[in-house]
Amino acid sequence: GESVGLHLPTLSVQEGDNSIINCAYSNSASDYFIWYKQESGKGPQFIIDIRSNMDKRQGQRVTVLLNKTVKHLSLQIAATQPGDSAVYFCAETLTGANSKLTFGKGITLSVRP
Amino acid sequence: ETGVTQTPRHLVMGMTNKKSLKCEQHLGHNAMYWYKQSAKKPLELMFVYSLEERVENNSVPSRFSPECPNSSHLFLHLHTLQPEDSALYLCASSPQGGGQFFGPGTRLTVL
Repeated sequence: GESVGLHLPTLSVQEGDNSIINCAYSNSASDYFIWYKQESGKGPQFIIDIRSNMDKRQGQRVTVLLNKTVKHLSLQIAATQPGDSAVYFCAETLTGANSKLTFGKGITLSVRP
Repeated sequence: ETGVTQTPRHLVMGMTNKKSLKCEQHLGHNAMYWYKQSAKKPLELMFVYSLEERVENNSVPSRFSPECPNSSHLFLHLHTLQPEDSALYLCASSPQGGGQFFGPGTRLTVL
């Protein structure tokens, strides 16, 4: 079946460094992608999204890159801070399908002081 | 917070109890969702409501019963649950064709 997966279960980075979190998706028909951040004891928080007609989108300290050729999505966090420590999920969907999302398992980002 | 609220935040219940989870969204969205999140597993979609009509039921056991009285409110009625139903239950809402915004979840423990 179709799935969205994250390559690594954990990522440890030094405070101030840039973080890159990668995600592979398998449904080539997906046209909308979202990154979520989930801190302990909280629900997932919408970080940034991108549609398939774009290959890059920037937010505040975050950038999402989409490579449709290899079905790869990445989240880049600039100048990683302790508050960025969380579990990050990528999700994919085909718009119009009641926004039904397919989520990956999540990757834990740990920021070392 | 994201404009999606859930109550209660924590719930402990016995297997013979009946309880309800409540979700409310203040974002003007027209779709609402229930998810189950267990440890070390991806989010599991349970139910989808679009314009107050249930459009998806992901083979969820009948001991979970959703209710959507209007586009801003969503309930999950629980009865005769099992210990393996213990999990974080998340509500989300979305605009048509847009991303989902989640509530803080209800941490459910079934004894």
